[in-house]
Amino acid sequence: NAGVTQTPKFQVLKTGQSMTLQCAQDMNHEYMSWYRQDPGMGLRLIHYSVGAGITDQGEVPNGYNVSRSTTEDFPLRLLSAAPSQTSVYFCASSYSTSGRAKTQYFGPGTRLLVL
Amino acid sequence: RKEVEQDPGPFNVPEGATVAFNCTYSNSASQSFFWYRQDCRKEPKLLMSVYSSGNEDGRFTAQLNRASQYISLLIRDSKLSDSATYLCVVNINSGNTPLVFGKGTRLSVIA
Repeated sequence: NAGVTQTPKFQVLKTGQSMTLQCAQDMNHEYMSWYRQDPGMGLRLIHYSVGAGITDQGEVPNGYNVSRSTTEDFPLRLLSAAPSQTSVYFCASSYSTSGRAKTQYFGPGTRLLVL
Repeated sequence: RKEVEQDPGPFNVPEGATVAFNCTYSNSASQSFFWYRQDCRKEPKLLMSVYSSGNEDGRFTAQLNRASQYISLLIRDSKLSDSATYLCVVNINSGNTPLVFGKGTRLSVIA
């Protein structure tokens, strides 16, 4: 199993550009989520999904869109990049056992710089 | 009060030392607890789950105190390779609801 994969690993954008961060998992996990991590801020939840076709907002959703058309994929879209979106982005997936959550597996991250 | 609070550190300890971290959580309905480890510029990885009865994995011991709403992580015989940031993670509800991450405690083990 590849686990959770993310592409690209690094990206430089200009203000106003759009892009999609890709995330895929091959563990058949129902739950997937996107976090951003900034120095001193810890991990902050952007969006999450409890299954295909279902998404919900996290703590910091503004400026980001998501969709979940398949169990495996959960892309994150930046519609109009801003310097404040410079960050490290982590995708994670997890299962729940007997209604108890749940070990989260993280991808290696995407480092994004917006100029 | 933040949902999950940790002392950011850094904790600088010599090799072989015993070090302990605490983490407090605000929601008494919290049901699942974890410790994750994050190395510099890497993704977080599960270190261990925390059970009500406490659990041990080699040099690592995790404990839960529901009455005082905190969890702890004890590392015995610290190794240089233990240097990392340790994240406290709490699930407020059962099932598929978001986990809440603390900001992490940084540990540096010195030779």
